[in-house]
Amino acid sequence: NAGVTQTPKFQVLKTGQSMTLQCAQDMNHEYMSWYRQDPGMGLRLIHYSVGAGITDQGEVPNGYNVSRSTTEDFPLRLLSAAPSQTSVYFCASSYGTGSTGELFFGEGSRLTVL
Amino acid sequence: GDSVTQMEGPVTLSEEAFLTINCTYTATGYPSLFWYVQYPGEGLQLLLKATKADDKGSNKGFEATYRKETTSFHLEKGSVQVSDSAVYFCAAYNQGGKLIFGQGTELSVKP
Repeated sequence: NAGVTQTPKFQVLKTGQSMTLQCAQDMNHEYMSWYRQDPGMGLRLIHYSVGAGITDQGEVPNGYNVSRSTTEDFPLRLLSAAPSQTSVYFCASSYGTGSTGELFFGEGSRLTVL
Repeated sequence: GDSVTQMEGPVTLSEEAFLTINCTYTATGYPSLFWYVQYPGEGLQLLLKATKADDKGSNKGFEATYRKETTSFHLEKGSVQVSDSAVYFCAAYNQGGKLIFGQGTELSVKP
C-alpha cells in the first residue's frame, strides 16, 4: 500500500527560485494538508483542503500556494523561495473532515534554501 | 488560542526504564487527543488516541489517559526499549477542526 507519497525527498534551492512539492494519496481521503516541521516548533499547518476544488489557509500560509484539482493530489508551490522556508515539509491526509480522525503522513521533503 | 505544550527534550533513558512525557493542552471544550511518533527519517504515525474525557489510549505498551481536570494527556511506558527511540508529538484538534501539535519530545534509549 502506497499511502501518502511525497516527492522529492530532498531539494536545494537558491533564493528566489520556484518549485513544487508533490503529494499524492491513494486512500480516497477527502482531507489533505501540508505541515512544516522546524526544530523546537513542532508541526505547523500551512494549507489544507477538504475536497477537490477547495483549499484554505492554515497557520503559516505566506509564501506558499496550493491547489486541489483531484482527490488524489495536493501540490505545494513555493513561488519565490526564501531562506526562512528551509524546513522539512509533510503532507498528510485523513478520512472526512471530522475532528476525531487519524492523519496519515508522507515521509517528508527536506528543503534547503540558500 | 488553542495550544499543546510538551515537556522539552531530549530525554535519555536506559533500556527497561519507566517513561513519562508530559503533555497539556489549552482548548475550548474537550478535543480528541493524540500521540504521534516519528522514527528517524520517517513521517509521523499515530501511536494512540483518546476521543473523550477519562478515555485511555494504548498501543505497543504505551498508554495515555485523557484528564479533563488537569487538561493533560501524559504518555507513559513501563519499560522502554532501544527501538522506542524516536520523537513523540502530542496533538489535539482545535476549535476550527485542525490538528495542532506540540513541539515534540526526542527520546533516546541506551542499551
